[in-house]
Amino acid sequence: AQSVTQPDIHITVSEGASLELRCNYSYGATPYLFWYVQSPGQGLQLLLKYFSGDTLVQGIKGFEAEFKRSQSSFNLRKPSVHWSDAAEYFCAVGAREGGSQGNLIFGKGTKLSVKP
Amino acid sequence: KAGVTQTPRYLIKTRGQQVTLSCSPISGHRSVSWYQQTPGQGLQFLFEYFSETQRNKGNFPGRFSGRQFSNSRSEMNVSTLELGDSALYLCASSSDRGGWGTDTQYFGPGTRLTVL
Repeated sequence: AQSVTQPDIHITVSEGASLELRCNYSYGATPYLFWYVQSPGQGLQLLLKYFSGDTLVQGIKGFEAEFKRSQSSFNLRKPSVHWSDAAEYFCAVGAREGGSQGNLIFGKGTKLSVKP
Repeated sequence: KAGVTQTPRYLIKTRGQQVTLSCSPISGHRSVSWYQQTPGQGLQFLFEYFSETQRNKGNFPGRFSGRQFSNSRSEMNVSTLELGDSALYLCASSSDRGGWGTDTQYFGPGTRLTVL
């Protein structure tokens, strides 16, 4: 069965510091991978996605993520965090086979706090 | 393009009642998925509709149902509400050009349902 693990429930970083949010997935083949961000009381905004090709993907707001097949990971990074990045971040995996349409499996999320 | 819209944004109901939530996808998107988000269980897939047909269903009781109209708008219904149904209900749409639910899902702001 597919699953997504985000090991860090809560991370606090200082403004201007670098950030890495971890995501590990379990899936038999190469999955579709996504990172979404959610601000309090809001829906999910897509940051970036990996379907195939270059394993380093660039997203919005200066985020990037690297797909590492050998480690079953898709970690999210940002070189310099801004106070407005404080939010909850979700990693998700989508299956490639029929019968899984529309079903994203989400991790439990990592809440990011930013210190001034 | 306008994003995914969900109505109403907030609902308060009492146990035993039923509720209907509405979702209007991005213009041109034919796939609509529904998710339930709670602090304890996180984001869980409810079901997905494509061209008025339910293609995939998550592990929820039959009290949760949905439908999709010819204009791709979707509704979900929860009958005989329970306290545990209190959650943020998110709708997501995708164009699903790949035919396997592989395209990116774009989320609406959600409907916050409170059951008293």
